[in-house]
Amino acid sequence: AQTVTQSQPEMSVQEAETVTLSCTYDTSESDYYLFWYKQPPSRQMILVIRQEAYKQQNATENRFSVNFQKAAKSFSLKISDSQLGDAAMYFCAYKRTTSGTYKYIFGTGTRLKVLA
Amino acid sequence: KAGVTQTPRYLIKTRGQQVTLSCSPISGHRSVSWYQQTPGQGLQFLFEYFSETQRNKGNFPGRFSGRQFSNSRSEMNVSTLELGDSALYLCASSLGDSEAFFGQGTRLTVV
Repeated sequence: AQTVTQSQPEMSVQEAETVTLSCTYDTSESDYYLFWYKQPPSRQMILVIRQEAYKQQNATENRFSVNFQKAAKSFSLKISDSQLGDAAMYFCAYKRTTSGTYKYIFGTGTRLKVLA
Repeated sequence: KAGVTQTPRYLIKTRGQQVTLSCSPISGHRSVSWYQQTPGQGLQFLFEYFSETQRNKGNFPGRFSGRQFSNSRSEMNVSTLELGDSALYLCASSLGDSEAFFGQGTRLTVV
């Protein structure tokens, strides 16, 4: 069975600084998707970034980028120039690419605090 | 384009009662999934529907059920509520093999 592990329950970062959130996963499959979702106090899960496992290039979305290490089964999120609005719970998620399922497996989350 | 809409936003129920939660997916999305979020267990997959058929089910008791209508709207039902069912219930919709878009959730409190 696939598992997703986030070992950092809480992280803090100064405004304008850079922070990296860690995520490791376990799977026997070779093709899959990985995601980072953000959940602010409003509770709505917002997609931050996605990575297809077959792509070697790391995904980037503005200030957000990932370090995808397929062999190590590691998928970390780097937030550059942190802003107060980045404060939220961040969840790493895994999804198989096998057609017929849209089931996500989530990590336990990392609470990010941004200090002014 | 409207997002995923979940109703109601908040519910308070008594042990033993039953509850129905509703989810309207993004227009054109045919897949709807449900998740339970609690502080202790995190986000756990409940079930997924595609074109009115349940394709996957998580490890939850039979008290948890769901259905999907021809317009892709989905409902989930929890019967004989227990205190441990208190949680945030999140619905997500997807278009094809893409990322899921989540609603704001329904906060269920069982007293």
